[in-house]
Amino acid sequence: DVKVTQSSRYLVKRTGEKVFLECVQDMDHENMFWYRQDPGLGLRLIYFSYDVKMKEKGDIPEGYSVSREKKERFSLILESASTNQTSMYLCASSRDGTGTGELFFGEGSRLTVL
Amino acid sequence: DAKTTQPTSMDCAEGRAANLPCNHSTISGNEYVYWYRQIHSQGPQYIIHGLKNNETNEMASLIITEDRKSSTLILPHATLRDTAVYYCIVRLYNTNAGKSTFGDGTTLTVKP
Repeated sequence: DVKVTQSSRYLVKRTGEKVFLECVQDMDHENMFWYRQDPGLGLRLIYFSYDVKMKEKGDIPEGYSVSREKKERFSLILESASTNQTSMYLCASSRDGTGTGELFFGEGSRLTVL
Repeated sequence: DAKTTQPTSMDCAEGRAANLPCNHSTISGNEYVYWYRQIHSQGPQYIIHGLKNNETNEMASLIITEDRKSSTLILPHATLRDTAVYYCIVRLYNTNAGKSTFGDGTTLTVKP
């Protein structure tokens, strides 16, 4: 069964802490994405990556960075967590260009910043 | 990508068909209609997509009107596990899937 796995379902961090959210996919997909989901705001794209070591900003990249050292792994980094980064974070992957173009999502990581 | 409009919420009796409408009146000729759903506390899940013809898979059927300005997702025999938020998305086939716009969707509640 194909899968996108996020390392932590629930995290509680303090303001100013550095936070790492890990995402691994086993489908050999080129594209990977990080979103955050907040009530009333839908899913908002933070960063995405088309290939190893490549990254592009999404709609709300401020306060975040990403790393993609291996094709299957895409990490989201909060350099100095703030309370307004309390949210549900979703990772997704898709094939490059061809195929159905569907997104495969992980189960999400709910981050609370105190 | 074209904008979509969906009802905020709908109810359906267990075992009956659930028909979820989506309006996409500004859709262009080469944009596809995609449906996803999100069960509480999980990531969204792809359901089905189509261009102009009706489509069916093991999860659902997608009916697209002839003018393509609206569509309906049909869950033929809804179960309690189909309770979820359903998102209708319109986008070009080979564009960046990750830039799909997930709005508020329709919250479907299947009742016993």
